[in-house]
Amino acid sequence: SYELTQPPSVSVSPGQTASITCSADKLGDKYVCWYQQKPGQSPVVVIYQDTKRPSGIPERFSGSNSGNTATLTISGTQALDEADYYCQAWDSSTGVVFGGGTKLTVL
Amino acid sequence: QVQLQESGPGLVKPSQTLSLSCTVSGDSISGSTYYWSWIRQQPGEGLEWIGYIYYGGNTDYNPSLKSRVIISVDTSKNQFYLRLSSVTAADTAVYYCARGSTGPTFDYWGQGTLVTVSS
Repeated sequence: SYELTQPPSVSVSPGQTASITCSADKLGDKYVCWYQQKPGQSPVVVIYQDTKRPSGIPERFSGSNSGNTATLTISGTQALDEADYYCQAWDSSTGVVFGGGTKLTVL
Repeated sequence: QVQLQESGPGLVKPSQTLSLSCTVSGDSISGSTYYWSWIRQQPGEGLEWIGYIYYGGNTDYNPSLKSRVIISVDTSKNQFYLRLSSVTAADTAVYYCARGSTGPTFDYWGQGTLVTVSS
């Protein structure tokens, strides 16, 4: 089965850049999207089709995807960005796949 | 504005069947090209795709759950449904319904409903 691997946690200081990776075999050949989930809330898509931002998502969120790794980058990280982040892709044999999630701590 | 709302029992006994409904407003399931989806999140864990229904009744399921899952739709009510059979405590989770667009990307989610499997 196809699996997406994320680091369990990432820490960043306010105002700095946070990078969260998502790895899998030939991931660059697939579309990746990223979701933000705050405690007690439903996930919200922040990046889709590797690099696109939905309306209403701040410009500080950006994405890239190449080779075996997709990356979510948050520039000028703010305290309100503290959340769990999940990558997601689609595989022909497994269907929809989510990464295990990364807890972003802003400290 | 598209909205989705899950409904169903919050408590299910082991070995029984979990049944949930998702009511969609602001969009029509009938004739749409979206993937009407179920996703769950076990306590303290990550997201797990259960399956979806699309293009007039076609379905795809997570291989790990496929033998126990049925997703169906009632276009007259603008609702879709989840049935998960032979549940165990491991099926205790918050169940979300969501709309999947191209990708798929899940662009609209319900608020989620907690289902506990316990005797």
